[in-house]
Amino acid sequence: DTEVTQTPKHLVMGMTNKKSLKCEQHMGHRAMYWYKQKAKKPPELMFVYSYEKLSINESVPSRFSPECPNSSLLNLHLHALQPEDSALYLCASSLREGQGVGDTQYFGPGTRLTVL
Amino acid sequence: GNSVTQMEGPVTLSEEAFLTINCTYTATGYPSLFWYVQYPGEGLQLLLKATKADDKGSNKGFEATYRKETTSFHLEKGSVQVSDSAVYFCALRFSQGGSEKLVFGKGTKLTVNP
Repeated sequence: DTEVTQTPKHLVMGMTNKKSLKCEQHMGHRAMYWYKQKAKKPPELMFVYSYEKLSINESVPSRFSPECPNSSLLNLHLHALQPEDSALYLCASSLREGQGVGDTQYFGPGTRLTVL
Repeated sequence: GNSVTQMEGPVTLSEEAFLTINCTYTATGYPSLFWYVQYPGEGLQLLLKATKADDKGSNKGFEATYRKETTSFHLEKGSVQVSDSAVYFCALRFSQGGSEKLVFGKGTKLTVNP
């Protein structure tokens, strides 16, 4: 089973709202990722967690706040977003993350976010 | 740096036609290479991968060979179906500062007509 689940599928929020995206995997993977994908563009890496610790932050604005409560769960907390933050947010996981490992990343279906 | 260049398309084919989507890469070290597919309104699905030179990845009739001499990983399928209509992304995974990153090409939209 290579399933990564994401909730909600769709989210509409105002610029003053606070919301959270959730990602879950039960494959025993210890690395989890958040990507942002704008329309007709490739995914762009936002954050990487390795063994529940943040290992990469690709200079993402602080209005996006990731959290990894345990090895199966990854959240992305959203606050004071801008309309240009509207995009498909993809979660992925891989067995491990580290130099030379080369493990495959498995993606969830994404949350389509619209900021009004 | 590490990057992927793929033909952007769009590509439109008739059912049962031969498909090639070109992908070339620039990388230091020994990257792994991937093809992902994204159907309309969905996330990315791994299509195939290769982790070292001369490896051939294959799945669902699609194939790609990791060619170090030409730094290429072209995707091919002998006979496409309408259900293959999707966006295809070539991706490269490389090591940087003890972490690993996945970088994608711009994607190629394939439409297969009956």
